[in-house]
Amino acid sequence: DVKVTQSSRYLVKRTGEKVFLECVQDMDHENMFWYRQDPGLGLRLIYFSYDVKMKEKGDIPEGYSVSREKKERFSLILESASTNQTSMYLCASSLTGLNEKLFFGSGTQLSVL
Amino acid sequence: GENVEQHPSTLSVQEGDSAVIKCTYSDSASNYFPWYKQELGKRPQLIIDIRSNVGEKKDQRIAVTLNKTAKHFSLHITETQPEDSAVYFCAASVAYGNKLVFGAGTILRVKS
Repeated sequence: DVKVTQSSRYLVKRTGEKVFLECVQDMDHENMFWYRQDPGLGLRLIYFSYDVKMKEKGDIPEGYSVSREKKERFSLILESASTNQTSMYLCASSLTGLNEKLFFGSGTQLSVL
Repeated sequence: GENVEQHPSTLSVQEGDSAVIKCTYSDSASNYFPWYKQELGKRPQLIIDIRSNVGEKKDQRIAVTLNKTAKHFSLHITETQPEDSAVYFCAASVAYGNKLVFGAGTILRVKS
């Protein structure tokens, strides 16, 4: 069974802090993704990566960066957290085809005060 | 860019009835349409998907239909059960950029 693990379930940070969200998958998947989920807006793609050290912007990359130094790990970085980045963040991975059969983590609920 | 609209935003049905959720998309080059189910407090999980070369796909009590001409696709759940209560998201692939665009979600409540 594929396991996508996000390091924190809940996180509270202050505005201006640098925030790291970590995601690890154990199935040797090539592709990894970061989404944010907000009520009424569905899931919106922040960044994705199809290979180690490769990254592509999604639909809402502003204020975020990512790092993929190892195949199994994909990190989302909020350089200077703001209150409008309060959200549920979901990591996902997929084996074949960038779009297909996404396996999601349990999510990190981030609150920026 | 691709836009996916999902309706209704909430849906309440009686146990045993059918439920239908509809999504429309804007990019005629979209060719992959998955549906994800997210139970309360849990992660989204893929329940069914369809490609543009197929008009209908069925898996037990769930089915997806695709109308490429009208650019809409629908999720059908028959004989609904309380465990079908969840948020359902549709999505459509973007022709360029290898991305998925998700709908806003439908909260399905099955009343027993």
